[in-house]
Amino acid sequence: DAGVIQSPRHEVTEMGQEVTLRCKPISGHDYLFWYRQTMMRGLELLIYFNNNVPIDDSGMPEDRFSAKMPNASFSTLKIQPSEPRDSAVYFCASSGGGRASYEQYFGPGTRLTVT
Amino acid sequence: AQSVSQHNHHVILSEAASLELGCNYSYGGTVNLFWYVQYPGQHLQLLLKYFSGDPLVKGIKGFEAEFIKSKFSFNLRKPSVQWSDTAEYFCAVTLGDSWGKLQFGAGTQVVVTP
Repeated sequence: DAGVIQSPRHEVTEMGQEVTLRCKPISGHDYLFWYRQTMMRGLELLIYFNNNVPIDDSGMPEDRFSAKMPNASFSTLKIQPSEPRDSAVYFCASSGGGRASYEQYFGPGTRLTVT
Repeated sequence: AQSVSQHNHHVILSEAASLELGCNYSYGGTVNLFWYVQYPGQHLQLLLKYFSGDPLVKGIKGFEAEFIKSKFSFNLRKPSVQWSDTAEYFCAVTLGDSWGKLQFGAGTQVVVTP
């Protein structure tokens, strides 16, 4: 299995631009998570989905952030408009159902820099 | 509110030294406990996990952790580290009925010198 795939791996954009991060979970996994990692705040859960349905988005910082999961094999995290304080590494993770759902498999991350 | 505390932010030690990283959580109910590792430039990988049963958990690469309920702790140990253990280590917790919400500690950067 290729693991969790994220794209792009690096993104540099200017303040005010729209940014879209993409994630392909491990095939067969029905839970998908988006995290953000910064030096100041560490690892934060932004949102997670179960069977393509958002379950908890309480970690999404503000309305500029939105996430979708149109099907079981694809999810996006969008920031519009982007701001310098959004600079961080964004991780996607997935897990299977049942007890195995406790183990989350992480993707390589997208390093976002907003100038 | 639940929180996870890692005692050391940065640890430097020599090869063959023993390693112990502290992790405490603040929640009185059932918890599930994890240690993840992030090698330089790589994604997070699961080292070990505790759900129930034997409080001494063995993980990959010679790591182990002990759950001490009375101390709300889940410390990570390795008897003899190698240079390849240089990485950032994260303790994480979920509540028993809220498994999806992994709450991470701030992480401990471990540097092993040859």
